[in-house]
Amino acid sequence: GENVEQHPSTLSVQEGDSAVIKCTYSDSASNYFPWYKQELGKGPQLIIDIRSNVGEKKDQRIAVTLNKTAKHFSLHITETQPEDSAVYFCAATSDTGRRALTFGSGTRLQVQP
Amino acid sequence: GAVVSQHPSRVICKSGTSVKIECRSLDFQATTMFWYRQFPKQSLMLMATSNEGSKATYEQGVEKDKFLINHASLTLSTLTVTSAHPEDSSFYICSATGGLYGYTFGSGTRLTVV
Repeated sequence: GENVEQHPSTLSVQEGDSAVIKCTYSDSASNYFPWYKQELGKGPQLIIDIRSNVGEKKDQRIAVTLNKTAKHFSLHITETQPEDSAVYFCAATSDTGRRALTFGSGTRLQVQP
Repeated sequence: GAVVSQHPSRVICKSGTSVKIECRSLDFQATTMFWYRQFPKQSLMLMATSNEGSKATYEQGVEKDKFLINHASLTLSTLTVTSAHPEDSSFYICSATGGLYGYTFGSGTRLTVV
């Protein structure tokens, strides 16, 4: 089955700086890679996703890059704000909709004001 | 956008009793629903996958007789934790897929067994 590794486990940045979180996956058949933000006591919220036919996607301050050859994808958050502080999870799956997502271990992002 | 409603958000029960958690897709038909369990400061671990009208598929190590999943309609799936024990205390999260909406997650249920 799929295995997703995520680094770092914790990340502390100053407000306004950029944050980068990296994930690698094992199953070359995986074709959908979402990123979720989870706040304490809440369910995960999708912040951005990318499919295997695209190398990069951007939505305002958030971007995701995908390298299929190396089997890794990264989340980039620019101009971080204190409200970006949360736990971020990457995930992967090979059969969008019918197969469950496999999650990374999570990154706790702390944005210092 | 797609919305998944999960209830209750918090529940405390006595050891040995059963607890039912509901997961509803409000504005789309959920052909597949997933149930996850999350322990403090850990990732989401898949418990089972259910398709409407068929039996759930459980992940290795998850007791199907303890965690009963019913996906009787395209908008409702339930997870019943039977004979709950303190070690079942956790955060349970459902996710639903259907149509063009990808994976939508519920808000989670914090189960505490005392």
